[in-house]
Amino acid sequence: DAGVTQSPTHLIKTRGQQVTLRCSPKSGHDTVSWYQQALGQGPQFIFQYYEEEERQRGNFPDRFSGHQFPNYSSELNVNALLLGDSALYLCASSLDVTSGYTDTQYFGPGTRLTVL
Amino acid sequence: TQLLEQSPQFLSIQEGENLTVYCNSSSVFSSLQWYRQEPGEGPVLLVTVVTGGEVKKLKRLTFQFGDARKDSSLHITAAQPGDTGLYLCAGARNTDKLIFGTGTRLQVFP
Repeated sequence: DAGVTQSPTHLIKTRGQQVTLRCSPKSGHDTVSWYQQALGQGPQFIFQYYEEEERQRGNFPDRFSGHQFPNYSSELNVNALLLGDSALYLCASSLDVTSGYTDTQYFGPGTRLTVL
Repeated sequence: TQLLEQSPQFLSIQEGENLTVYCNSSSVFSSLQWYRQEPGEGPVLLVTVVTGGEVKKLKRLTFQFGDARKDSSLHITAAQPGDTGLYLCAGARNTDKLIFGTGTRLQVFP
């Protein structure tokens, strides 16, 4: 049973560019959450997708957008990259058990984004 | 504003020593989770506590949720080099949006 997978593992971009990160949830999971983890800090919630729609959002600008596909996989897009966007981007998947609440979140290994 | 403060931030100890990591907040959480994260990997869930005053044990690890559900502690007995990693607490407030703590980096030397 494959766990949460993310691609790519590492990515280097320059300021102003755009980036797309991908996540495949754990088998049987229907909800995907994205987190940003800056070096030396705890992860910060970006947003959550369920039924192909953004259900919750943290304090991140509109440059951060996402998408969920019918097979529950998800993408995180960041436009107009800034140096401060350099971080480990984590995807977590879970199963919706009641409206708006899911069971345990399982994290992928993350994508390390470096913006030069 | 950081809702969850962890202490200490860094801890270096010898194998066999005991240690306690604290996770404190002024906010009430419906549940609190502890994760361990190793370099190059995502956080791995260790335990979830949901009831005020709850104590859970996982081998040499003991987790406690404060009576008011605002704080938690993680106690490790007889630490081993394999316990080395970043320990994160994360709280949820009636949703599954996790609010992570600042993290405690533990290094256990043989």
